[in-house]
Amino acid sequence: DSGVTQTPKHLITATGQRVTLRCSPRSGDLSVYWYQQSLDQGLQFLIQYYNGEERAKGNILERFSAQQFPDLHSELNLSSLELGDSALYFCASSVDFRTDYGYTFGSGTRLTVV
Amino acid sequence: TQLLEQSPQFLSIQEGENLTVYCNSSSVFSSLQWYRQEPGEGPVLLVTVVTGGEVKKLKRLTFQFGDARKDSSLHITAAQPGDTGLYLCAGVGPQGGSEKLVFGKGTKLTVNP
Repeated sequence: DSGVTQTPKHLITATGQRVTLRCSPRSGDLSVYWYQQSLDQGLQFLIQYYNGEERAKGNILERFSAQQFPDLHSELNLSSLELGDSALYFCASSVDFRTDYGYTFGSGTRLTVV
Repeated sequence: TQLLEQSPQFLSIQEGENLTVYCNSSSVFSSLQWYRQEPGEGPVLLVTVVTGGEVKKLKRLTFQFGDARKDSSLHITAAQPGDTGLYLCAGVGPQGGSEKLVFGKGTKLTVNP
C-alpha cells in the first residue's frame, strides 16, 4: 500500500457519459498529480494541484477538469467520454511542488469506454 | 518539449542473465528517476540520480546518470522472475523543482524462470 488511494479501481461507461475519479494523497503530501497511461502514449501528465491551487497543466483535454479540496483529496472529472479516453488514470502525490524526491503513485483507475 | 526515449521497448530473458536498459534524451535534466511498474499497480520509485556520472546501486540493480545529464542506464545482474515489470525513467527539468516529471514509455522486462 503506497498510501495514495484511488477509487474506483475499475470503471466501465458508455460514450458521451461523465465520470469522476477520486484520489486521496499520502498523509502529509500537499501536491497531487494526475497522469493518463495508454499503451501507445505511455504516462502523460494531465494536471497538478498544490495545497488546493492548480499548479501546472499538461496535456489535459478541455472535456477534462480537476480540483483539489481543502482536505487535499482530488477529483478528476471526465465528460463527453470517447472511446479513445479508455486508459489507466493514475494519481500521484508528493510532499511539496518539487519533483526531485519522486512521486508516490496510487494503483490507478482503469477506465473503459464502450 | 523534453522527450525521453527508452530502449529496448521489450526485453525477454532467462533467469540468471544480465541486462541493461537505456534512457536517452537530447535535453539536459537536473535529475532523473527510475520507476518500476507491475501489472495492475502504479509506478514505484526505485532511485533518483542527480549528479552527472553518478552511479547508484540497489542490490542487483545499478543505475548510472550520464556525464552530460542527458541519459541514464539501468543494469540488472543475475535477473530473477521478480524483476519482471515495466521500467520507466523520468526526468526533472534543468531548473530543478519543476512541477512535473517527463516519463519515457518504458522497457517491459520479462524474466523467465
